[in-house]
Amino acid sequence: KAGVTQTPRYLIKTRGQQVTLSCSPISGHRSVSWYQQTPGQGLQFLFEYFSETQRNKGNFPGRFSGRQFSNSRSEMNVSTLELGDSALYLCASSLMTDGNTIYFGEGSWLTVV
Amino acid sequence: DAKTTQPPSMDCAEGRAANLPCNHSTISGNEYVYWYRQIHSQGPQYIIHGLKNNETNEMASLIITEDRKSSTLILPHATLRDTAVYYCIVRGLIPTNFGNEKLTFGTGTRLTIIP
Repeated sequence: KAGVTQTPRYLIKTRGQQVTLSCSPISGHRSVSWYQQTPGQGLQFLFEYFSETQRNKGNFPGRFSGRQFSNSRSEMNVSTLELGDSALYLCASSLMTDGNTIYFGEGSWLTVV
Repeated sequence: DAKTTQPPSMDCAEGRAANLPCNHSTISGNEYVYWYRQIHSQGPQYIIHGLKNNETNEMASLIITEDRKSSTLILPHATLRDTAVYYCIVRGLIPTNFGNEKLTFGTGTRLTIIP
């Protein structure tokens, strides 16, 4: 069975631009979470979606947003990019039922120049 | 606040068992112990989880002490591909009405397998 798929894998953006990252969860998984990983801050929770509703949100500015579609696929958007937004963005999915293990994708490497 | 404590780094000879400790002295009764690992530039990979009994799967074994305040992840025959950062996490298994509990990753243990 396919794992969590994230696209694009690598991208470079300029300060002030915006970026959209995409995530396809494992088939049947309805919960999708997003995390940011940087060398200095480690893994930090951004937000979680279930049935197209944001259930949980981390401590990030409003420039970071996301959404989930009816097929459970999710996107996250970062507007007005700053140099500090350079990071590995990870998507994770789970069943949200018993056996609620969270599985991660390979991530999207974003570099802001 | 960090829920788990792990040594920052460990070395293990190739072919030997790698034993990675984790302290989780404040674990509550409904929290499970999860282990993930992250190989450089990749997303965290789920390894194993357990509540109070020892668990084994194709990747590793998990030994949880009787008081559940600590655990050990065992990679029985370490290979060079096991070189990674290993994270021990505690979390509730059953989701709440507020969704999945967010995972809190500490700094993990950087395991280096020596040829």
